[in-house]
Amino acid sequence: DAKTTQPTSMDCAEGRAANLPCNHSTISGNEYVYWYRQIHSQGPQYIIHGLKNNETNEMASLIITEDRKSSTLILPHATLRDTAVYYCIVRPSTGNQFYFGTGTSLTVIP
Amino acid sequence: GAGVSQSPSNKVTEKGKDVELRCDPISGHTALYWYRQSLGQGLEFLIYFQGNSAPDKSGLPSDRFSAERTGGSVSTLTIQRTQQEDSAVYLCASTPGWEYNEQFFGPGTRLTVL
Repeated sequence: DAKTTQPTSMDCAEGRAANLPCNHSTISGNEYVYWYRQIHSQGPQYIIHGLKNNETNEMASLIITEDRKSSTLILPHATLRDTAVYYCIVRPSTGNQFYFGTGTSLTVIP
Repeated sequence: GAGVSQSPSNKVTEKGKDVELRCDPISGHTALYWYRQSLGQGLEFLIYFQGNSAPDKSGLPSDRFSAERTGGSVSTLTIQRTQQEDSAVYLCASTPGWEYNEQFFGPGTRLTVL
């Protein structure tokens, strides 16, 4: 059972920041937020994860609200190669399953 | 280094036949996952192996589906008496351990049941 809600699709102009929202209002205190993306016809690729602090790596930034009920993945300068489906995932506190949901289809427009 | 590999990349079968899908995880990775992705859908968890522990089979959709992991490495997903609704891309992922954050995915096997 997916524990996250994401918009079905979004567009972003090339070179602009892409901000992908995710709601996870039932997240537990020890559950992490993960982001993966899936480029067409490939397996998903890990992007970033966080618990409550904002995180940044070479691919993206993750902003988690103080109440942890929502988060935003930021791609600072979107390129055409960032066109993909982006999955926001809350990892259960027990077991090791990742519930991917249906994600947000991001299209970067030239 | 080598990533996760899966074979075959494509499989077309007739309804009612059995199929076997293979996953070779990254060497040394103790955790292995199988997922199914139907057309236009997200990933559906199927089964999870961690070391010598009993696998988590809670995602298998029916008793026609089974999986094995021999020697803690290669895994085979078997679908018996295939149905048209089994048509999907079957993805395998591995991680160094069950608490590891990043799953490394293979390219998937596209199964088409006619």
